[in-house]
Amino acid sequence: EAQVTQNPRYLITVTGKKLTVTCSQNMNHEYMSWYRQDPGLGLRQIYYSMNVEVTDKGDVPEGYKVSRKEKRNFPLILESPSPNQTSLYFCASSLLLGGQGNYEQYFGPGTRLTVT
Amino acid sequence: AQSVTQLDSHVSVSEGTPVLLRCNYSSSYSPSLFWYVQHPNKGLQLLLKYTSAATLVKGINGFEAEFKKSETSFHLTKPSAHMSDAAEYFCVVSDWGGGQGGKLIFGQGTELSVKP
Repeated sequence: EAQVTQNPRYLITVTGKKLTVTCSQNMNHEYMSWYRQDPGLGLRQIYYSMNVEVTDKGDVPEGYKVSRKEKRNFPLILESPSPNQTSLYFCASSLLLGGQGNYEQYFGPGTRLTVT
Repeated sequence: AQSVTQLDSHVSVSEGTPVLLRCNYSSSYSPSLFWYVQHPNKGLQLLLKYTSAATLVKGINGFEAEFKKSETSFHLTKPSAHMSDAAEYFCVVSDWGGGQGGKLIFGQGTELSVKP
C-alpha cells in the first residue's frame, strides 16, 4: 500500500532534549516536505527536499533541521526543543517530474508533539 | 511572493444546500492551486487541483473549483452538502514555474459545519 509513515505519532518531551521524528514513503517520490499545523494558522512549511541531499527552508525553519540521505526517508530533527514547538507535524511526499511539482501531496498521519 | 487568503474561518450550511468556500491568492507567476480536506483527527487528502489546464476543475465527492485569474480567486463549491463533508478545508498555492520551486503556501483553513 502506498503510504507515508511517521513515527512517533505522539510525543511528550522536555525543553532542550533532542528528538527526531522519522518520515518514510514507499512511492519513490522525489519531493518530501515537513509542515506544522497550529490552530488558526493552517499548515506552515518547515523544510522541503527536492531529492537526495537537496533540502531547502520553508517558511518556518528556525529550530529545526532535516536530512535527506536516502530517497525514502526525511527525518525532522529538533536539536533543542522549546515549548513554542508544541504542534501537530505532518510529513508529505509527491512526484517531481522535470523540476515541476504540480502533483498531489501524500500526507502522513501526523505527529503530535508536546514540549514542556 | 505567494500568499493565500481563505476569506471565512468557519462556514455553516444545512444538509442539501450549496457549499461555497472562498479562496483568494497572490502569485507573481502562473500558480498551481489545490484544495485539501482534513477530517477530524485525520491527515490531509487532495480534493482537486488547478495546473493551467481547464479553469473549472472537478474533484472528488462532488466538489469543484473555478480558477479566475482576473479576480485571483479559486473558490470551492458543491451543489448539495452532505453530513460527511463536515471537515476543515485548505486552499494551497505553489509557484513551480516561478523559481519558487518547492514552496507551498497553505491558507489558514475554513471549517465547514453541516447541520441536519
